[in-house]
Amino acid sequence: NAGVTQTPKFRVLKTGQSMTLLCAQDMNHEYMYWYRQDPGMGLRLIHYSVGEGTTAKGEVPDGYNVSRLKKQNFLLGLESAAPSQTSVYFCASRRTAGQETQYFGPGTRLLVL
Amino acid sequence: KNQVEQSPQSLIILEGKNCTLQCNYTVSPFSNLRWYKQDTGRGPVSLTIMTFSENTKSNGRYTATLDADTKQSSLHITASQLSDSASYICVVTLGGSNYKLTFGKGTLLTVNP
Repeated sequence: NAGVTQTPKFRVLKTGQSMTLLCAQDMNHEYMYWYRQDPGMGLRLIHYSVGEGTTAKGEVPDGYNVSRLKKQNFLLGLESAAPSQTSVYFCASRRTAGQETQYFGPGTRLLVL
Repeated sequence: KNQVEQSPQSLIILEGKNCTLQCNYTVSPFSNLRWYKQDTGRGPVSLTIMTFSENTKSNGRYTATLDADTKQSSLHITASQLSDSASYICVVTLGGSNYKLTFGKGTLLTVNP
């Protein structure tokens, strides 16, 4: 049981390049989330999904797109990377809403030059 | 504006000593409050979760308290160990929401031998 995994662990992009971050969970969780964590700030929600085929915007969605074609995977896309998107990205999943624990992945460190 | 403030920003203690971390929030309506531990380079891991009706919750050497009237929470760590060195994050969920979590910036705890 791997829990929540993220690919890649680290990536360097040039401004304007695109990339996709992959999040996978093997716990059969319905809810999945993408956050970014920046120095001196709390985690901020980018997008989330409450089930296969559904996505919704979070607190800071601009510049990102997501897809949840399979229940176990949640993809985060950057169409045209900007230096402001340099951050550590965390994926999380949760079985349902309410008091259920949110499980986080190990993070993807992204540097945009 | 919904906010979560944590104090202190950082704390250094000696192994074996106790410490208390503080969390004040303005999130309303309130659903629940969670404490997470985040080791350097890792994703956050849930320690405790408390709802409005709970005023204390323990997880081993970690004890969280909640005063919903004053909107304050604390995390007490007993007999600290070197492995307790991490960032501790307070997270408050907005009532009636499946995804609106407000994260504090965290308290960075360093336990020295």
